[in-house]
Amino acid sequence: QQQVKQSPQSLIVQKGGISIINCAYENTAFDYFPWYQQFPGKGPALLIAIRPDVSEKKEGRFTISFNKSAKQFSLHIMDSQPGDSATYFCAATSGSARQLTFGSGTQLTVLP
Amino acid sequence: DAGITQSPRHKVTETGTPVTLRCHQTENHRYMYWYRQDPGHGLRLIHYSYGVKDTDKGEVSDGYSVSRSKTEDFLLTLESATSSQTSVYFCAIRQNTGELFFGEGSRLTVL
Repeated sequence: QQQVKQSPQSLIVQKGGISIINCAYENTAFDYFPWYQQFPGKGPALLIAIRPDVSEKKEGRFTISFNKSAKQFSLHIMDSQPGDSATYFCAATSGSARQLTFGSGTQLTVLP
Repeated sequence: DAGITQSPRHKVTETGTPVTLRCHQTENHRYMYWYRQDPGHGLRLIHYSYGVKDTDKGEVSDGYSVSRSKTEDFLLTLESATSSQTSVYFCAIRQNTGELFFGEGSRLTVL
């Protein structure tokens, strides 16, 4: 059972465009929602994160939108750049051990 | 940034052989995790540790065991490797900020 569902699986965007990746979760015990960025051959790295008591968080060109009632959250990348080309994972965490439950990933390609 | 060293970074082995992957951290963090990454599945938790000799199972623990005899080392063992365990394995630590920091991965191929 996949507790965090992510879409789309792959995304191609022109330079300067907006990239949008969506996630939905089922477990209402989740209390923290990070996004990770992964480049080939590297481990995932934290990009931005949000708690469910806010509806939006922005850091530079990256914004998380959070809809608690719908149990959905999304990542928006404004002014997408070729250097943003990577795999993006949404995740959710709960419990004292804070183990992450990941979505299946989105491979983003930004064309120059 | 935290320091994590995974070894080996690449390994090819045969079905039925034992394999041990090592995760070494330099900053004395209490929580350590092992994940596997497979296409279409994202990263899935295998086991985690919350202190020396304290471990617990994750989502996909069957066929894996772990040990933590020292704070800095977290070992993942495949007692008898199978082709379904071909994957990229990531170790992570929980930093003082609460965020998880991942190593660079160990690619395992089981023939």
